[in-house]
Amino acid sequence: DQQVKQNSPSLSVQEGRISILNCDYTNSMFDYFLWYKKYPAEGPTFLISISSIKDKNEDGRFTVFLNKSAKHLSLHIVPSQPGDSAVYFCAASDTGFQKLVFGTGTRLLVSP
Amino acid sequence: DAGVTQSPTHLIKTRGQQVTLRCSPKSGHDTVSWYQQALGQGPQFIFQYYEEEERQRGNFPDRFSGHQFPNYSSELNVNALLLGDSALYLCASSSGQGEGSPLHFGNGTRLTVT
Repeated sequence: DQQVKQNSPSLSVQEGRISILNCDYTNSMFDYFLWYKKYPAEGPTFLISISSIKDKNEDGRFTVFLNKSAKHLSLHIVPSQPGDSAVYFCAASDTGFQKLVFGTGTRLLVSP
Repeated sequence: DAGVTQSPTHLIKTRGQQVTLRCSPKSGHDTVSWYQQALGQGPQFIFQYYEEEERQRGNFPDRFSGHQFPNYSSELNVNALLLGDSALYLCASSSGQGEGSPLHFGNGTRLTVT
């Protein structure tokens, strides 16, 4: 039973454009949502988070949107840069930032 | 400031053997969690250690056990290895059981079971 789903295995965008990564979840008890970025041969790196009491959180080029009624969140990267090319994991938790449930990841490729 | 360090980087074991993986948390962190990432999947939570005790556990059999030492470092032990245990094992650390503190991950140990 996949509680966190990332239905797009890959996404390609051009440098300077917007990247939109999507994530759906099924467990209504989740109250924290996070995005992690992973480069090959490295561990996941925390990018941005949002709690269920908010619908938007921004940090520089990264914005996360949460639609609780649709059980959907998205990560927007504007403008996209080649260095953003990585696998992005959506994660959720019902215990603060602990015991994360991860999606299967979306591979983002940003071309110059 | 050292981040989360894991050893070894790679490991090859035979089915039925036992393995121990090690993790040192980021400086200032006292909570360690372990995750298993199979090929093509996202990381799956195994368990969390805080104050030298297992605090939370995911859906993993008892063959998976752990330990946390007084210096906050941790070990993950897997007994009676199966082919399906082949995966990247990630250690993550945080402060005070992580309320409001995102996990910091190490680079992982790649375990191959033949």
